[in-house]
Amino acid sequence: DVKMTQSPSSLSASVGDRVTITCRASQSINTYVNWYQQKPGKSPKLLIYAASSLQSGVPSRFSGSGSGTDFTLTITSLQSEDFATYFCQQSYSTPRFGGGTRVDIK
Amino acid sequence: QLLESGGGSVQPGGSLRLSCAASGFTFSNHAMSWVRQAPGKGLEWVSGISYSGDTPYYADFAKGRFTISRDNSNNTLYLQMNSLRAEDTALYYCAKDYSTVAIDWYFDVWGRGTLVIVSS
Repeated sequence: DVKMTQSPSSLSASVGDRVTITCRASQSINTYVNWYQQKPGKSPKLLIYAASSLQSGVPSRFSGSGSGTDFTLTITSLQSEDFATYFCQQSYSTPRFGGGTRVDIK
Repeated sequence: QLLESGGGSVQPGGSLRLSCAASGFTFSNHAMSWVRQAPGKGLEWVSGISYSGDTPYYADFAKGRFTISRDNSNNTLYLQMNSLRAEDTALYYCAKDYSTVAIDWYFDVWGRGTLVIVSS
C-alpha cells in the first residue's frame, strides 16, 4: 500500500509568487502521480496527471515534475483564483491521496 | 455530468445505497470510483469498478461492508454501504476514470457529492 506524504500542509503566498508543493511516496512509483485542486465547497479538479502532463484546459502556470518517490507541483506567478487546497494522489496501485496543501493569501 | 444521490442521516449499524447518474460521456467505456471527504478533511478513495463491472476494488476500510456495482444500460454507478460507522460520515463523490477501458486510477470528472451522516 503506497502512502503519500505531502508538504507543507499549508502556506501563505502573494499574487505573483512562485509556489512549490511536494509529495513523497512510501516506495518508488515511477511517474504514477496526479495533482488536484479543490476550492471550498467545490469538487476536486484534475490539474496534472502522470507526474507532468497538464490536463486539458489547465493554465500553463501549473506544472508537475518528479519520478520515483519525490514529486513537485509548481505554480509560477500565483493568481487570485489559485488560492485553494491541492492534493497529490498516487495511481501506481489503488488510489491514495496526500493530506493536502492549503494555499492562502499572505 | 455526474450526479450523486442517496445520502442522508443514518444510525450506526445502518445502511445506505448511493447512486451516481452519468451523462455526457460513454459511461460503459470508463472505470468509475467513489471517493469520500470527511468534513474539513482530505480525500479518501473508497471503491472502484472496471468499465464492464466485472472487477470491483475496495479500500481496506470498505471491504466486507461496502459493495460497488454499476448498470451500464442505465448509466448509473452504485455504492451499497452496510454496517455504517460514525467514521463513515463524509461527502461521497462519484468520479470518472480518465482513460477508456483501462483503469488509470485518476479522475477527470467528479460529481458534486452526496452527504452521508452516521450518528445516533
